[in-house]
Amino acid sequence: EAGVTQFPSHSVIEKGQTVTLRCDPISGHDNLYWYRRVMGKEIKFLLHFVKESKQDESGMPNNRFLAERTGGTYSTLKVQPAELEDSGVYFCASSQVAGRTEAFFGQGTRLTVV
Amino acid sequence: GNSVTQMEGPVTLSEEAFLTINCTYTATGYPSLFWYVQYPGEGLQLLLKATKADDKGSNKGFEATYRKETTSFHLEKGSVQVSDSAVYFCALSIPGGGADGLTFGKGTHLIIQP
Repeated sequence: EAGVTQFPSHSVIEKGQTVTLRCDPISGHDNLYWYRRVMGKEIKFLLHFVKESKQDESGMPNNRFLAERTGGTYSTLKVQPAELEDSGVYFCASSQVAGRTEAFFGQGTRLTVV
Repeated sequence: GNSVTQMEGPVTLSEEAFLTINCTYTATGYPSLFWYVQYPGEGLQLLLKATKADDKGSNKGFEATYRKETTSFHLEKGSVQVSDSAVYFCALSIPGGGADGLTFGKGTHLIIQP
């Protein structure tokens, strides 16, 4: 069974540009989560999808971040326009039943804004 | 709110040494507790978990006991190996608490020297 996959693994963009991160969850997992780790700090929750619906987006930092999960399969996280403080590692995770089963994580996308 | 505090590294040990990584938490509600590990170049993997007080999670020689009275979930291993070198994250979630995302600590970088 394929795990959670994220693309790209690394991205270097200039301040003001747009970047789109993609996450493919494990097949059949309704729950999809985005997290971010800024250098040296905690991994912070960004948002939670149940199928195509946003269950909780309380962790999204501002309106420059837009997450979508059309059709309830893969998800994208767009940052537009990117700022220097957006640099970090963005993790995606999926699980079958929210809060009661293990969440499987992808390898993360390392985003560097210069 | 919910928070996790863990000792910050790097923690450097010699092979076969005893390991303890401290983790304490604050939570609104009854949390499930987790240790995740990130090996170099890989994504986060669940190492072990405990869902109620006095439960002991164990895996790959690592153990952690859910201590409600001290709000702690310290990670221990009796004899570490070079292959245990990684970043370890303590985390919690509140099942059915409305926000099903994980709350992480800052991570502890463990370095095991031969």
